[in-house]
Amino acid sequence: DADVTQTPRNRITKTGKRIMLECSQTKGHDRMYWYRQDPGLGLQLIYYSFDVKDINKGEISDGYSVSRQAQAKFSLSLESAIPNQTALYFCATSDSGGGNNEQFFGPGTRLTVL
Amino acid sequence: SQELEQSPQSLIVQEGKNLTINCTSSKTLYGLYWYKQKYGEGLIFLMMLQKGGEEKSHEKITAKLDEKKQQSSLHITASQPSHAGIYLCGADGAGFQKLVFGTGTRLLVSP
Repeated sequence: DADVTQTPRNRITKTGKRIMLECSQTKGHDRMYWYRQDPGLGLQLIYYSFDVKDINKGEISDGYSVSRQAQAKFSLSLESAIPNQTALYFCATSDSGGGNNEQFFGPGTRLTVL
Repeated sequence: SQELEQSPQSLIVQEGKNLTINCTSSKTLYGLYWYKQKYGEGLIFLMMLQKGGEEKSHEKITAKLDEKKQQSSLHITASQPSHAGIYLCGADGAGFQKLVFGTGTRLLVSP
């Protein structure tokens, strides 16, 4: 079974709808991240969490919110989706005790906002 | 803020040929990570470099870190179709709390 899972894998929605993307991990890592990937722009950090009570904004947090329901779960919400939020979204985890910042990525969620 | 520039942005090579991808940082590199992404899929960790002059290899892929030049290179020897994908470099950002990623290099390997 995959260590980092994301649901759904694909989602098509309409402008103005509320969307939640979910991420779960079985690696026991304390840190979790949400990124979006757009063609030609690499990965941009949306939010990150170092533990259940610690949530931080990344480079592009406007229009997004997150919830760290448990150490293993980190969800990303789009309160009112807009077309320019169409992208590939990745969740990642890392271990603060691992001695480095190696991150482990989920398979991604492809979101299309019409 | 730190920025990573990768070159080339895309690359088409014939199977069996060697190739090099570069990642240049706007700031000092403390930790440099290479990932590979198959099209439309998640990222797979390849290797991490932390010391200037460090070189690591895995199968036919070799990565080097030139700390003075604030640059890392990824070299693939005798490329195969399985090497096709997007290669991304990531670097430790401020406070070593998160990674900053480059824009990626798209590699196609033709038969």
